[in-house]
Amino acid sequence: ETGVTQTPRHLVMGMTNKKSLKCEQHLGHNAMYWYKQSAKKPLELMFVYNFKEQTENNSVPSRFSPECPNSSHLFLHLHTLQPEDSALYLCASSQGLQGARRTRTEAFFGQGTRLTVV
Amino acid sequence: QKEVEQNSGPLSVPEGAIASLNCTYSDRGSQSFFWYRQYSGKSPELIMSIYSNGDKEDGRFTAQLNKASQYVSLLIRDSQPSDSATYLCAVRRPSSNDYKLSFGAGTTVTVRA
Repeated sequence: ETGVTQTPRHLVMGMTNKKSLKCEQHLGHNAMYWYKQSAKKPLELMFVYNFKEQTENNSVPSRFSPECPNSSHLFLHLHTLQPEDSALYLCASSQGLQGARRTRTEAFFGQGTRLTVV
Repeated sequence: QKEVEQNSGPLSVPEGAIASLNCTYSDRGSQSFFWYRQYSGKSPELIMSIYSNGDKEDGRFTAQLNKASQYVSLLIRDSQPSDSATYLCAVRRPSSNDYKLSFGAGTTVTVRA
């Protein structure tokens, strides 16, 4: 148990559906991340929130919409996805990215949501 | 050029042997380096962090960093079947807004009993 909890663990959705992934961390961290992991490909950084502000959007299509209401919660809203969006979506958190420590912050992952788009 | 490169493997080692994993990175401004272990169907688990040139040991794991050559390695001594997993190298490097954490594709290790 890493202190980062993701729900749901598995999700099957149609291309016209709207769904949301949820991530909650109990580590007192101030930075949260969404990563996408597809088969045989490196982890792809999607979004970074640092002290509730989005600091990274890695050219992610608009059908993925993140929301960070506070430092403990992160959502990924999904709509009109494509079958190629099927992947493992991982949430991670770390200490806030500020000051001299920002380069040394360790990130901890949740269990992931296995998403299948049909 | 990929930001972080690893040999995909699979790397097969007999039980009790040393497994050696290598990782190279492209951005000389990279500041910190991490190794994650990922079992099949599970999420990545942080096992080592290293920030300065040289070796860092933690139990059976040793991380080695050489910033001049832009590589970081992980040695697993006395390999056990439970070490069979994919090992991900991660590098925190400068990005437009801050320091982003980039991952290699991972090296799959199989420890033969």
